[in-house]
Amino acid sequence: AQSVTQPDIHITVSEGASLELRCNYSYGATPYLFWYVQSPGQGLQLLLKYFSGDTLVQGIKGFEAEFKRSQSSFNLRKPSVHWSDAAEYFCAFGDYKLSFGAGTTVTVRA
Amino acid sequence: GAVVSQHPSWVICKSGTSVKIECRSLDFQATTMFWYRQFPKQSLMLMATSNEGSKATYEQGVEKDKFLINHASLTLSTLTVTSAHPEDSSFYICSANLIHRQTSYEQYFGPGTRLTVT
Repeated sequence: AQSVTQPDIHITVSEGASLELRCNYSYGATPYLFWYVQSPGQGLQLLLKYFSGDTLVQGIKGFEAEFKRSQSSFNLRKPSVHWSDAAEYFCAFGDYKLSFGAGTTVTVRA
Repeated sequence: GAVVSQHPSWVICKSGTSVKIECRSLDFQATTMFWYRQFPKQSLMLMATSNEGSKATYEQGVEKDKFLINHASLTLSTLTVTSAHPEDSSFYICSANLIHRQTSYEQYFGPGTRLTVT
């Protein structure tokens, strides 16, 4: 079945440290892939998306993600985390309709 | 651009009553909107696809008579939870599709509505 998996339920990272969130997909063709962030009390905000072309995608807030077909992965990275990056992060795939991963909670410690 | 609003942001209702939640695309027209449900600490589950001018398409397991969806205009979709029960308490989120050059879609999400049924 087509799906995305986020293996990490919760990640704690120190402010200023790098962050990587994992996302693996299971899909017959190259999917449209997305990363969304949900802050407490706020709606989902699109960080970045991959449709085709360059496999390294730049997003907002200093985030980037790399599509690796050989590993069926679309991991999200940020070189230096800020306290405001504490949130829930969702990987999603689809085009017309989206299917979401379970989410990864990111905690940032001072 | 591409802002989606929801109203109300939170609502408390008594068991057996009905509650209507509005979803509006403020600066673009959305022929398709989606309704999701999110339980605490869990992911979003798609409930239904709302198409302007036609009946909504519900995902498997979602009761269409309980969750009534109306998409009367290109900027407004409503979700009515009928005869609400405590188990309907949840966070309901809508989104709207923005089509890019007829080739790809991007969904924009509303801030969500917290429903508590007492």
